[in-house]
Amino acid sequence: AQTVTQSQPEMSVQEAETVTLSCTYDTSESDYYLFWYKQPPSRQMILVIRQEAYKQQNATENRFSVNFQKAAKSFSLKISDSQLGDAAMYFCAYNDYKLSFGAGTTVTVRA
Amino acid sequence: GAGVSQSPSNKVTEKGKDVELRCDPISGHTALYWYRQSLGQGLEFLIYFQGNSAPDKSGLPSDRFSAERTGGSVSTLTIQRTQQEDSAVYLCASSSPSLAAYEQYFGPGTRLTVT
Repeated sequence: AQTVTQSQPEMSVQEAETVTLSCTYDTSESDYYLFWYKQPPSRQMILVIRQEAYKQQNATENRFSVNFQKAAKSFSLKISDSQLGDAAMYFCAYNDYKLSFGAGTTVTVRA
Repeated sequence: GAGVSQSPSNKVTEKGKDVELRCDPISGHTALYWYRQSLGQGLEFLIYFQGNSAPDKSGLPSDRFSAERTGGSVSTLTIQRTQQEDSAVYLCASSSPSLAAYEQYFGPGTRLTVT
């Protein structure tokens, strides 16, 4: 399994503000996929955003965007205009048919 | 169905008993995965099915754990002689080669508590 590191156990953000979650990974492959998943207290893992390594353009899904730095093996997630419903644990994942997850970052949104 | 379903949602069992956890993948998804989420170990891969075959069982922690998939659809994860360290949330996911990034879609999980 690949190593995925999330160095921020917890992050807090004011409603309507922006928060960035960090993720680094280790791989010797040139083509691969990276994901961010959200896990609210309901336990359901929800796919937030995907990035294909051969695409240089950073992926964007509504208020969620990534900063993918392939050479640095970095894949951060930016949540813009944070909403109360964004409160959850966020996992970075590397996909080589099976997922390798980071330890997760708990995001708290302050009203 | 519209998504991956798992049953039961919660299971409490006594140490030493056997348990079966069920997963119904998204219709048409040929790949199925089991993961375990525990406080100490985070999210761990257990086993991967492609159709009814399991080409990767490398994550099963001991021979007390087994899984099968029938008809290329439903999968059952069986834990024999449960131990307290088996307490965790067991997540099932499915995927298809037709998905551009082979992304996996997860079920709501089964929370297993061994007393």
